[in-house]
Amino acid sequence: GESVGLHLPTLSVQEGDNSIINCAYSNSASDYFIWYKQESGKGPQFIIDIRSNMDKRQGQRVTVLLNKTVKHLSLQIAATQPGDSAVYFCAENRGGAGGTSYGKLTFGQGTILTVHP
Amino acid sequence: DARVTQTPRHKVTEMGQEVTMRCQPILGHNTVFWYRQTMMQGLELLAYFRNRAPLDDSGMPKDRFSAEMPDATLATLKIQPSEPRDSAVYFCASGSGQGNTEAFFGQGTRLTVV
Repeated sequence: GESVGLHLPTLSVQEGDNSIINCAYSNSASDYFIWYKQESGKGPQFIIDIRSNMDKRQGQRVTVLLNKTVKHLSLQIAATQPGDSAVYFCAENRGGAGGTSYGKLTFGQGTILTVHP
Repeated sequence: DARVTQTPRHKVTEMGQEVTMRCQPILGHNTVFWYRQTMMQGLELLAYFRNRAPLDDSGMPKDRFSAEMPDATLATLKIQPSEPRDSAVYFCASGSGQGNTEAFFGQGTRLTVV
């Protein structure tokens, strides 16, 4: 029979455009959040993290915004390039700092980003 | 270039056989994670070690799966007996511990159980 998999959200952009990938999380007590990028055939690669006491953090070409009121996380990629094409995952750490769950991540389903030249 | 190394990269086995997947964490990292990735479930945490001690393996089916760290340079994930539903990509990741959030993932082991 036909298998049913996750239907991942997709985002298609033109090279040079800015991309915004969104993520909703569930646990208001999560200590920090991470965005990962996964290219085909590879393991997830760390992009940027943000702690729960922050609402914005910037890296090279990327910005993460955290809205704890609505439990929403976003990743903004400036001047998107074809090499940015991948699946992007948000992940949350539901354990508090110093606890045994520190470092333990719960991943979202992912968003497929396709960048057209 | 420090990286997490997983072997084998691909494994095809028959149902009922034992499967062992190996992971060499980045030297000096004291936390090791095993994740499984499928189309149906996405990325799921199976087990989590700190300083070689298992902290959480609640995501792992206990009857057939086992995870160990014989030493600081080797983590293993075993499935015995394997079943077709175990077909997935298994990732190992390591991190340097508290205060540093980044976990470094290996390339994964793609397991197919027929």
